[in-house]
Amino acid sequence: QVQLVESGGGVVQPGGSLRLSCVASGFTFNIYGMHWVRQAPGKGLEWVAIIWYDGSNMYYADSVKGRFTISRDNSKNTLYLQMDSLTAEDTAVYYCVRGYTSGSPPFAYWGQGTLVTVSS
Amino acid sequence: DVVMTQSPLSLPVTLGQPASISCRSSQSLVHSDGNTYLNWFQQRPGQSPRRLIYKVSNRDSGVPDRFSASGSGTDFILRISRVEAEDVGVYYCMQGTHWPPWTFGQGTKVEIK
Repeated sequence: QVQLVESGGGVVQPGGSLRLSCVASGFTFNIYGMHWVRQAPGKGLEWVAIIWYDGSNMYYADSVKGRFTISRDNSKNTLYLQMDSLTAEDTAVYYCVRGYTSGSPPFAYWGQGTLVTVSS
Repeated sequence: DVVMTQSPLSLPVTLGQPASISCRSSQSLVHSDGNTYLNWFQQRPGQSPRRLIYKVSNRDSGVPDRFSASGSGTDFILRISRVEAEDVGVYYCMQGTHWPPWTFGQGTKVEIK
């Protein structure tokens, strides 16, 4: 069955960096786009970034553009999110979400999330 | 960016009674390919979101048939025919027509009266 397992969250100081990982299993990772979506404590869902199935294209929310970098290693079935210059507003649970491939509408599968807390 | 507006934001419901949630987009969600990319998600307390509906009205596998959805253009509705205790949670609409960004509604909290 499809599984997405995030890791790498934790407590980081403002201005610091963190790298999140998401290991995928149960499907052919290298044919799917992948997203990161976040949820601040007690708040709604916010799309963060997408990467194409082959890593050829990436798009970001304005709120993270220039600070976050999405990447993937298809040989390891792993999605990453490098987060730099973190602020308190980045405190959230970060979800890895399976995106689109032909014949498969996106956002069907979500990981359990990993919590990032930005605090001094 | 497309703004998604849900109403109500809080929905107390009696068990066994129907419920409906409205979602409106700031522009038409009809894509140039003819599809309308409007999804509905359920997030139970302490859980990750779960997709219930894709492309306006297509129910995902395993979603009870008491959930239905409809709409077109800018106006969409999610309906629960008879609310059960397991339906408690927050429901989000999300558009995937005009991206980036993909945008979510604010969420509607469904609770039992």
